[in-house]
Amino acid sequence: GQQVMQIPQYQHVQEGEDFTTYCNSSTTLSNIQWYKQRPGGHPVFLIQLVKSGEVKKQKRLTFQFGEAKKNSSLHITATQTTDVGTYFCAGRGNNRLAFGKGNQVVVIP
Amino acid sequence: DGGITQSPKYLFRKEGQNVTLSCEQNLNHDAMYWYRQDPGQGLRLIYYSQIVNDFQKGDIAEGYSVSREKKESFPLTVTSAQKNPTAFYLCASSIGGGATDTQYFGPGTRLTVL
Repeated sequence: GQQVMQIPQYQHVQEGEDFTTYCNSSTTLSNIQWYKQRPGGHPVFLIQLVKSGEVKKQKRLTFQFGEAKKNSSLHITATQTTDVGTYFCAGRGNNRLAFGKGNQVVVIP
Repeated sequence: DGGITQSPKYLFRKEGQNVTLSCEQNLNHDAMYWYRQDPGQGLRLIYYSQIVNDFQKGDIAEGYSVSREKKESFPLTVTSAQKNPTAFYLCASSIGGGATDTQYFGPGTRLTVL
């Protein structure tokens, strides 16, 4: 079945620094969604990208969908302690939404 | 106050017992989903339902069963046939099963089988 791979799986980020997390698919996706799960919590929807090459920003977060619609990235600038958590991408190919394994981010004060 | 509720938050059962996890939503969503989350494994789809009285197996349906008798309810039964049932179970819903529908998650139930 469709697989969505996320790299890296874990990141330790110094507060104030920037970081990027990546999402890759072997097949073309109709769209991609990003979710964030805080420690002990449940995934919460962040954003959806639909168009090839699309870029969307939410304050310090920048989301990008690749031109071929097979990869996506999330870039966070000036990391804050509130950015701690696991970031999931979810891609829809044929019919179902497939979640990646997530990128667990630890913020070092 | 709209949303998805799952109860209980923590559940303990003895090995060999069936257990049913509840999921209720008042968002008037047609589609509902059950996921299992294990450390480092992300979210794996167990079952999903796009309409009342209909549901489909996900990627890891073995040892689980569901029903969808009402639009707002989608209970999951973890049977004794499930080899490793201890996990965090998340229920989600979406407006429909469309390509751009986003999923709203409940708070989850952490099941421990002793």
